[in-house]
Amino acid sequence: EVQLVESGGGLVQPGGSLKLSCAASGFTFSGSAMYWVRQASGKGLEWVGRIRTKPNSYATAYAASVTGRFTISRDDSKNMTFLQMNSLKTEDTAMYFCVRPGCGGDCLEYWGQGALGTVSS
Amino acid sequence: QSVLTQSPSVSAAPGQKVTISCSGSSSNIGSNYVSWYQQFRGTAPKLLIYDNNKRPSGIPDRFSGSKSGTSATLGITGLQTGDEADYYCGTWDPGLTSGNWVFGGGTKLTVL
Repeated sequence: EVQLVESGGGLVQPGGSLKLSCAASGFTFSGSAMYWVRQASGKGLEWVGRIRTKPNSYATAYAASVTGRFTISRDDSKNMTFLQMNSLKTEDTAMYFCVRPGCGGDCLEYWGQGALGTVSS
Repeated sequence: QSVLTQSPSVSAAPGQKVTISCSGSSSNIGSNYVSWYQQFRGTAPKLLIYDNNKRPSGIPDRFSGSKSGTSATLGITGLQTGDEADYYCGTWDPGLTSGNWVFGGGTKLTVL
């Protein structure tokens, strides 16, 4: 059974940093790209970014709203992916979901339960 | 503002049928598979339809999907109160300068 468990959420002041972690199990983690998707309270889904696999040079891509501030990384030896968030703004307050794509990359097949990041003074 | 356009809400009575539309462009829906996600309040989204019209294991055949040109549609027949949720469409948009997965703004389904 595929499981994705996020952790590391919390309260941080504007301009601060927060690092989220996602522990994966139930599939060959090193063979899968991993995504992060966020959702502000009462709002829709927003793709944050993704990291590809080692054969694809661990290539990353990010939404325009977070480029230059957020960094996605992974540790295949620990079956984990990370979302480092710097220079946080109040509008970054959201539930952050770790997602494993599927369907040959054409769908977001498995979702974690989410970790809440709150940016407030 | 979401890249894909969905109506904010839709409602119908139990047992009835409802359709939820998703409109995009040639760079996203027009060129790529569409998937649909169901989200109950306070929980993570769940894959409902993939590759425009395929259902993952465990999804009842009351749920269906279709795509034509730059629009996609989710259909739900035999509505149940348990279907009340938010529904999102999603697809790739490699035409964006950064970021490459896009969503609709979501449609809230109310079963009266």
